[in-house]
Amino acid sequence: EAQVTQNPRYLITVTGKKLTVTCSQNMNHEYMSWYRQDPGLGLRQIYYSMNVEVTDKGDVPEGYKVSRKEKRNFPLILESPSPNQTSLYFCASSPRGGTYEQYFGPGTRLTVT
Amino acid sequence: SQQGEEDPQALSIQEGENATMNCSYKTSINNLQWYRQNSGRGLVHLILIRSNEREKHSGRLRVTLDTSKKSSSLLITASRAADTASYFCATVPSGAGSYQLTFGKGTKLSVIP
Repeated sequence: EAQVTQNPRYLITVTGKKLTVTCSQNMNHEYMSWYRQDPGLGLRQIYYSMNVEVTDKGDVPEGYKVSRKEKRNFPLILESPSPNQTSLYFCASSPRGGTYEQYFGPGTRLTVT
Repeated sequence: SQQGEEDPQALSIQEGENATMNCSYKTSINNLQWYRQNSGRGLVHLILIRSNEREKHSGRLRVTLDTSKKSSSLLITASRAADTASYFCATVPSGAGSYQLTFGKGTKLSVIP
């Protein structure tokens, strides 16, 4: 089944404890991206990747890192999480950028205390 | 930067009625996409309409695009309780920015049985 998977689905952590949210797609898509969703703010793009080893900042990249060492995986790294990073995170992929429909993962709900 | 803005923010209708949601944006686009999100879950792609298209249909969905007014509308005909969800438009800028999608804040649709 074609899908985007994210892990973990739920995470509660403390300020400053490094964490990684994994994202994997099995559709051989070139493009992957990360969003955060907050009440009243909609979805905001954090980072995106056009292909392996090619990444760029979205609208809200501060406090996040990404890497794209393989085509199928695009992990989101929070080196030192803070409470303002408490949010619902979505990974998405598409064959090639925004000119195609995006396939979204199920989401990761992160709480930083 | 937030480009697509949906209107209204919330809409409540009876089952069987039609629902219309609007999206306005500010700059030239390559395409505009509509997504549905059931509470707290991943977004599901509905329709993609390109800048040179004026109208697209998919089942009970009809999307229009007016590039001169920089606006789009999503019409759901003969609504069902299962259509209850949040609906988002996402714009993809024309030119070199076609790797970035900008989502609006969404319209929350409630369909009352």
